[in-house]
This record gives sequence, structure tokens and C-alpha cells, in this order.
Amino acid sequence: KQEVTQIPAALSVPEGENLVLNCSFTDSAIYNLQWFRQDPGKGLTSLLLIQSSQREQTSGRLNASLDKSSGRSTLYIAASQPGDSATYLCAVTYGNNRLAFGKGNQVVVIP
Amino acid sequence: GAVVSQHPSRVICKSGTSVKIECRSLDFQATTMFWYRQFPKQSLMLMATSNEGSKATYEQGVEKDKFLINHASLTLSTLTVTSAHPEDSSFYICSAHPGQGANQPQHFGDGTRLSIL
Repeated sequence: KQEVTQIPAALSVPEGENLVLNCSFTDSAIYNLQWFRQDPGKGLTSLLLIQSSQREQTSGRLNASLDKSSGRSTLYIAASQPGDSATYLCAVTYGNNRLAFGKGNQVVVIP
Repeated sequence: GAVVSQHPSRVICKSGTSVKIECRSLDFQATTMFWYRQFPKQSLMLMATSNEGSKATYEQGVEKDKFLINHASLTLSTLTVTSAHPEDSSFYICSAHPGQGANQPQHFGDGTRLSIL
């Protein structure tokens, strides 16, 4: 069974600092890995998708890396802003297009 | 970009009521739709996989008779929570997959907050 773990569960940083969010998964047989953003009581916003053959993806201030063999991904958010406050979810796609999610990293950026 | 519409966004109803949630792909055909449930501060848990024209595949521990799923067309799947009770209160989210290979991302609805009194 695929299990996804995200650490830390919650973190607070002052505005301007870089954020580092970690995700690990137990089964390396994945098709891709996605990072999502979820605001309280809202749905999911896809941030980055890394195919299993790729090592990283970048979008603006966001950079995500993938080490499939070790079952790890890291999301970097540069120069954090208060608007980055949200929960960040990591999910892997495995057999039959199913997604396994972590519990999320709850981020607060302090102005 | 691909858009998935989920309706209603919020439901508050009495115990024993059946509630239907709709998930529509607006600008693409979704051969597969997924239904998830999320409890507070928990991850999204896959409930079932819905394929157009066939029976849904439920994850272990999810009651088929409790959570009825219908995928009647390539753009619409519905989840009906039958005889809902307070323990069914949760955030339900659907996603749709265009069916062009596993490397294509799923597209998510905005979710439905279900509160059973």
C-alpha cells in the first residue's frame, strides 16, 4: 500500500524566508508526483507535477525536486509571502491512476 | 485549462437525509472520475473510482450501499450519501481524469462541505 508522509506538519516563517517542505512515499512505483495548495475549506490548486522520469520542476518562486529511488520530494518556495500561507499537499499517482495524498504541510508566513 | 465543477459547495441537512453531489468536467471528457473524503487536518482519502458506463470500484472500508456512485456520461459523475448520519460529515472532493495516460494530471472540483445535524 502506498503511504505518503509530509514533514513538518506545520511551520511558521517570517516573510521573505525560503520555505522547504518535505514529502516521502513508500513505493517508488509511481507515475508522477504532484504538489497542491489547499486554502481552508477550499478545494485543491495544482502547483507542480513531476513525471517519474524527471528530477525537478519549476514555476516562478516554486521548485519541486523528485528522487524516486529514495521516495522523496521537496518543495521549495523562495522569498515567502503572507499570501503563501496555506496547506501544501503532496500526492503520488500509482496503479490505475489512483492518487495517494499526504496529510499536508500547514504553512503560516508571518508579515 | 481543464475545469471541473462540483455542486453543491455546501450542504447542511438532518440525519437520515440522502444527499447527492455532482461532479462535472466542463471542457473535456473524463473517462474516469474519483471521489475523495477529507476529515479535518487529515489527508484526502480515496473512496472510489468511477468509470463511465460501469460500476464504481470502492476502496477497502468504504460502504457501497452507503455511498452510491453513478457515472452516466463522460462529463458527469454523482455521489449520493444515503441516509446520512453525523459521522458522514466531511469534505468531499471529486476529480476527473481525461484518460490519456497516467501521466496526465487529475483535475479537481472545489469540494462539497457536508454537515449532518
